[in-house]
Amino acid sequence: GAGVSQSPRYKVAKRGQDVALRCDPISGHVSLFWYQQALGQGPEFLTYFQNEAQLDKSGLPSDRFFAERPEGSVSTLKIQRTQQEDSAVYLCASSTLPGQGPYNSPLHFGNGTRLTVT
Amino acid sequence: DQQVKQNSPSLSVQEGRISILNCDYTNSMFDYFLWYKKYPAEGPTFLISISSIKDKNEDGRFTVFLNKSAKHLSLHIVPSQPGDSAVYFCAASREGSQGNLIFGKGTKLSVKP
Repeated sequence: GAGVSQSPRYKVAKRGQDVALRCDPISGHVSLFWYQQALGQGPEFLTYFQNEAQLDKSGLPSDRFFAERPEGSVSTLKIQRTQQEDSAVYLCASSTLPGQGPYNSPLHFGNGTRLTVT
Repeated sequence: DQQVKQNSPSLSVQEGRISILNCDYTNSMFDYFLWYKKYPAEGPTFLISISSIKDKNEDGRFTVFLNKSAKHLSLHIVPSQPGDSAVYFCAASREGSQGNLIFGKGTKLSVKP
């Protein structure tokens, strides 16, 4: 496909369950980002990959959150022992080049995965 | 503590008139600013950006103005169209942040026919 694809679109988990969210970035995009968007808020940065290297994970809220991109394309965000406060839309974005600037391409976002923890 | 603030949660404008969306920021290290547009159940879509070395960038009906001394930017849409109805997010980044965008909470724009 031409855009960033995320699956599943919706996920309902019981508190304490583990979940895995998948992101297929645009083919050839070097950079991949995960963001979390709570209801009524703007997206908040979670983590960043350049190819397979996770260069920034400063936004991950706890050690229950783990992300990987083993072959530099598809990425998975895993949340262990989900809590109600994890309920949010998880957005994946990719871009052609590292960083943001006048000469770099902006982020292309997927439609997100809406996670509801009951 | 929010570094990017959009103080108007919503804005309603008549079709054909100008829409002005505002954004304030607190971090003087930000050097690149973007506006994203978001329809319900979709991801944000890039609209327009501006570097801190400029004070204006224009793309068709969309113009972004940057006032660095006031740490303020605005998005002007003229003329506004019903299809512009969406949530608009202001975002900022700083050099070397590797694309870690800081977003505001968004402003919901409604353009009435």
